[in-house]
This record gives sequence, C-alpha cells and structure tokens, in this order.
Amino acid sequence: QIQLVQSGPELKKPGESVKISCKASGYTFTDYAMNWVKQAPGNGLKWMGWINTQTGKPTYADDFKQRFVFSLETSASTAYLQINNLNIEDTATYFCTVLREDYWGQGVMVTVSS
Amino acid sequence: DIQMTQSPPSLSASLGETVSIECRASEDIYSNLAWYQQKSGKSPQLLIYYASSLQDGVPSRFSGSGSGTQYSLKISGMQPEDEGVYYCLQGSKYPYTFGAGTKLELK
Repeated sequence: QIQLVQSGPELKKPGESVKISCKASGYTFTDYAMNWVKQAPGNGLKWMGWINTQTGKPTYADDFKQRFVFSLETSASTAYLQINNLNIEDTATYFCTVLREDYWGQGVMVTVSS
Repeated sequence: DIQMTQSPPSLSASLGETVSIECRASEDIYSNLAWYQQKSGKSPQLLIYYASSLQDGVPSRFSGSGSGTQYSLKISGMQPEDEGVYYCLQGSKYPYTFGAGTKLELK
C-alpha cells in the first residue's frame, strides 16, 4: 500500500541542524511533487513549499527560504527536509505530503531546546 | 500571498446537527480549494477537493460549495467521529495557504 514513512523525533539545541526523511513506497516516487507542511504545537498548518521529484527543483514559501533545504534521494524514493541554525520557533511537527493524492507522512516532531 | 480567513475558530455541535465552516480568500482562487480534517495527533485527511468534489471514502454527509473568494464546508448530521480541527487550503497560487482552522467538538 501507499505509504510515506518519516524518520523519528528529534531533540536539538539552538544553532544545530536537523535532517528529517520521508520515504515513499507503493507508488512511483517521481510521479508526484512532495510538499512539506509545518505545524507548531497547538497551532495550525503552514505550507512550507514543495520539491519537484523529477528535477529536484525546490520551491520555498517566503518564511522558509533562508535555513530550510528540500532534497531528494530518488533511487531510495526518499525526500529530505534539512533545517539549519535551528531556533526555538522551529519546534514543530513537520509533515511530508503528496497533496495531489492526499498521501501524508506521520509527521516528525522536532524539539529545539537549550 | 493569498490570505485565507476561516470562521468560526471553534464550534460545538449536537449529534445530528448540521454545521458549516466558511473560508474566504483574499482574491479569486477559482475553486482551487480543499478541506482537511485533522484529528488529535494525526496527519490531516482530505475531505473535499476543488471546492466541491468529495474525496473517495469520505462520508456523503460532508459537502463543499463556493466559488470565487467564498467557500464553505457543510457536515449534514454531526457524528462523534467528526470531532477534530478542519482546515481549508488554497492551491490556486504559490505559496499555498491554509486557513487558521476550526475546532469542532460534539456538544
């Protein structure tokens, strides 16, 4: 069956980096774009951007242009989100999603705390 | 960016009651509007796409309508499993934007 399986929870200190993964299975990875969505604790959903799984070209929403990197390992059907120079406001659950088909990962909780 | 104004922020409904949630876009989004349900601790689930198309497997008590800048989600007959937070999402123009959410509870 179709699955997006994300990596496990992360606890990081301010200034560190984190790279979370999203492994797709059950469909052809390059058929659909991969989107990323942020949800801070107790807050709503925020679309971060998307990556073209055929070309690898990322598109970022304005709030995510500076420290955020979308990447792919196409041979492994995996998408990655890297966040550099973490700050407290990055504490959130991050979802990967194929919006077009309503495939969602289970979410990864990233906690940034000193 | 297109702003999505969602109302009400919260709602309490009795079993069998019909409820409506509204989303207003800051500009015409040409029906590129989806509705999601999110239950506590879970990933969002698509209910309605292209403003009024029911996603496969979603109960028919859910319906969507609207055009231009005004859209609504209706639940015809509240059920206990409908508790959760509902979000609209515009997919007309980048960046995609979500509404702030409506928390729906069973009275």
